Amino acid sequence: RKEVEQDPGPFNVPEGATVAFNCTYSNSASQSFFWYRQDCRKEPKLLMSVYSSGNEDGRFTAQLNRASQYISLLIRDSKLSDSATYLCVVNDGNRDDKIIFGKGTRLHILP
Amino acid sequence: DAGVIQSPRHEVTEMGQEVTLRCKPISGHDYLFWYRQTMMRGLELLIYFNNNVPIDDSGMPEDRFSAKMPNASFSTLKIQPSEPRDSAVYFCASSNQNTGFTEAFFGQGTRLTVV
Repeated sequence: RKEVEQDPGPFNVPEGATVAFNCTYSNSASQSFFWYRQDCRKEPKLLMSVYSSGNEDGRFTAQLNRASQYISLLIRDSKLSDSATYLCVVNDGNRDDKIIFGKGTRLHILP
Repeated sequence: DAGVIQSPRHEVTEMGQEVTLRCKPISGHDYLFWYRQTMMRGLELLIYFNNNVPIDDSGMPEDRFSAKMPNASFSTLKIQPSEPRDSAVYFCASSNQNTGFTEAFFGQGTRLTVV
């Protein structure tokens, strides 16, 4: 099993819709979880951290399920500007400072 | 702060040549990461440093790859000799983990093409 797995997509979603994607991780000892966003031909940037109790930032909601070892990202009222690749990020678990990225899920918001 | 600075932004080289990629992390950050990104393999961690010391280089693909961090403000990733399969975008990132990992800041990347 890969360390961090994501559905590569693409997810083609009409503007205004709600979209969600998951990410699974293999190391049950992992403690830190994040979602990054990467625009085409740009560098990844932090979108939000994922906390145990779940957290929300505007239209974005992140959830963590430790029992099933996955994290999720929900985007409500999607905008054209949300089109990007969303990268799931997990720390190694054996080494807290080692950061592992998933391959990303591509999201296309359609007008 | 100007953020993480990488150079060059683009590099085209012939197979067999030596390539050196450069990175200046954000001042005060104690961690530096080198990643490689391709469509097929995504973002792969090659090596990372803590306080200029290499911690984990298990992601370095072959002996042709080497990385150094002679001081807190500079790191290099060298490929010698380069091969076409090394073509990718190479990202450098830095973070401050004094109180635990919070965020890694990425440079704009170096797009390497080996012909």
